[in-house]
Amino acid sequence: EDKVVQSPLSLVVHEGDTVTLNCSYEVTNFRSLLWYKQEKKAPTFLFMLTSSGIEKKSGRLSSILDKKELFSILNITATQTGDSAVYLCAVAGGTSYGKLTFGQGTILTVHP
Amino acid sequence: DVKVTQSSRYLVKRTGEKVFLECVQDMDHENMFWYRQDPGLGLRLIYFSYDVKMKEKGDIPEGYSVSREKKERFSLILESASTNQTSMYLCASRPGGVGNEQFFGPGTRLTVL
Repeated sequence: EDKVVQSPLSLVVHEGDTVTLNCSYEVTNFRSLLWYKQEKKAPTFLFMLTSSGIEKKSGRLSSILDKKELFSILNITATQTGDSAVYLCAVAGGTSYGKLTFGQGTILTVHP
Repeated sequence: DVKVTQSSRYLVKRTGEKVFLECVQDMDHENMFWYRQDPGLGLRLIYFSYDVKMKEKGDIPEGYSVSREKKERFSLILESASTNQTSMYLCASRPGGVGNEQFFGPGTRLTVL
């Protein structure tokens, strides 16, 4: 059974802090790992990672994948209150049609 | 922009009622998905469809069925709603092929009394 585990489950920081969110997985026929941000609406896509060691970056957010150790991290530097959200990690694997297995999510709260 | 819409944002139903949740996408995507999201459990896949009239069970299909009569529309059906089906339901769509992300609708918060 495919499995994705995120840690921590929740995190409270102050503006300006740097945070690291973790995602580990056990998936057959790994294809890609995706990060989504979810505020009080639909999850929005952040990154898709398919290759080990190549950092993807978008503004203050960055992510990297380690396919040997089966994990990914999502970094957010200089956090802002607008970063408060649930961050979801998902892995595409198996033989099905883009089926994703999601982790539990990390609830990030950024205080002013 | 890809747009995935769901028929209701909030829905309240009674135990035993038949419930239809509708999802429509406007980007001609082959694959469509229904998830439920519960605190501490993340998103769990109920059913998905990779083509019109084609469907596959996800991880938690019990108590649910689906229908895909047209490519743009994917319906989730609760034949006889129960209180443990109170949840947030999210629909997603995705183009065919490798390396494509899923695009999500805004969700329907269903309460079964």
